[in-house]
Amino acid sequence: DAGVIQSPRHEVTEMGQEVTLRCKPISGHNSLFWYRQTMMRGLELLIYFNNNVPIDDSGMPEDRFSAKMPNASFSTLKIQPSEPRDSAVYFCASSFGGTRQTGELFFGEGSRLTVL
Amino acid sequence: QKEVEQNSGPLSVPEGAIASLNCTYSDRVSQSFFWYRQYSGKSPELIMSIYSNGDKEDGRFTAQLNKASQYVSLLIRDSQPSDSATYLCAVNKGYGGSQGNLIFGKGTKLSVKP
Repeated sequence: DAGVIQSPRHEVTEMGQEVTLRCKPISGHNSLFWYRQTMMRGLELLIYFNNNVPIDDSGMPEDRFSAKMPNASFSTLKIQPSEPRDSAVYFCASSFGGTRQTGELFFGEGSRLTVL
Repeated sequence: QKEVEQNSGPLSVPEGAIASLNCTYSDRVSQSFFWYRQYSGKSPELIMSIYSNGDKEDGRFTAQLNKASQYVSLLIRDSQPSDSATYLCAVNKGYGGSQGNLIFGKGTKLSVKP
């Protein structure tokens, strides 16, 4: 079975450019999470969705960040405009929710973003 | 106070020894607790979960939870070089239906020397 699929795996861009990260969760999972990982701050939750609905976006740094989940099999995280401090590894994760929840998250391989 | 705290390490142990990893959390209403392992350049993967006070054993791994002290630990017996990784403690702040909202510590880097 395919795991969580993220793209691109690596992105190098210049300050001010728009960046879009993509995620396909595991089929059947109804919770999706976007995390950001840096050496300084560790793994931080940005936003999570249940059944395609954003539940908690309190971790989204500022208005430059936005996330969407138009259907159960696809989500995007957009940064516009990007800044050097956005450089990090962005992980997407999915899990079962509701009565099937176990609390286990399945992570994608991550998208390493470098903003010059 | 950070929500989930871990000693960043590195923790170095010889092969065959017991590695002890510790974690404290600040929110008393936390319901469930997890240990994830992350190899360098890879994504985190779940190795243990614990929900009740006491010990939970799975092979060479034992998770320990003390809710009164807000303390979680992970013991790795007979440590192997392949156990060298960063271990992330995670706490579920949610209750009721809001599961899965995991708060992670920064992780402890473990190095097992042959």
